[in-house]
Amino acid sequence: EAGVAQSPRYKIIEKRQSVAFWCNPISGHATLYWYQQILGQGPKLLIQFQNNGVVDDSQLPKDRFSAERLKGVDSTLKIQPAKLEDSAVYLCATLPGHLTDTQYFGPGTRLTVL
Amino acid sequence: AQKITQTQPGMFVQEKEAVTLDCTYDTSDPSYGLFWYKQPSSGEMIFLIYQGSYDQQNATEGRYSLNFQKARKSANLVISASQLGDSAMYFCAMRAVSGYSTLTFGKGTMLLVSP
Repeated sequence: EAGVAQSPRYKIIEKRQSVAFWCNPISGHATLYWYQQILGQGPKLLIQFQNNGVVDDSQLPKDRFSAERLKGVDSTLKIQPAKLEDSAVYLCATLPGHLTDTQYFGPGTRLTVL
Repeated sequence: AQKITQTQPGMFVQEKEAVTLDCTYDTSDPSYGLFWYKQPSSGEMIFLIYQGSYDQQNATEGRYSLNFQKARKSANLVISASQLGDSAMYFCAMRAVSGYSTLTFGKGTMLLVSP
């Protein structure tokens, strides 16, 4: 079974530029999460999808961040415009089904904003 | 709201010794799950062990065991016979078993295993 795929693995941009991250979940996993992990901290949830619907985006800075999950499969996370404080690792995770299941994490995208 | 507290920013242990990583939590949910993840320098989050709040026995997975004390709201990870490859960040996390609840993570503990 293939794992959660993310691309790109690394991205360096200047502040005020735009950037997009892509996540391909494990086949059949209905729940998808995007997390932001700032250096030295634990991951913080940005948004949760159930199939192609948003379940929780309460911590997503909606003035600059957006995310979508078309057809309930792949997902993209966009930042426009980026700020210095957006430098972090962006992790995508998916959940197979029951809440007692573990989330499966992708390798992450490391974003550096200069 | 849920909260995870990991009070040890860093821990040192010698190879082959056991080490305990502390985790305390706070929640008002009656049913919840506790997770431990390992994050090596490469960045991926690796699931280690799970404990349900109503599980009667402490969870074990190979060299990992979870010392679950519900009354004290603690879920410490015990790694036996440490190996050099255990050097990594370790995160404690929890999630309510209801609705569309999400994982809440602690700040992590950096474990360094020396020869």
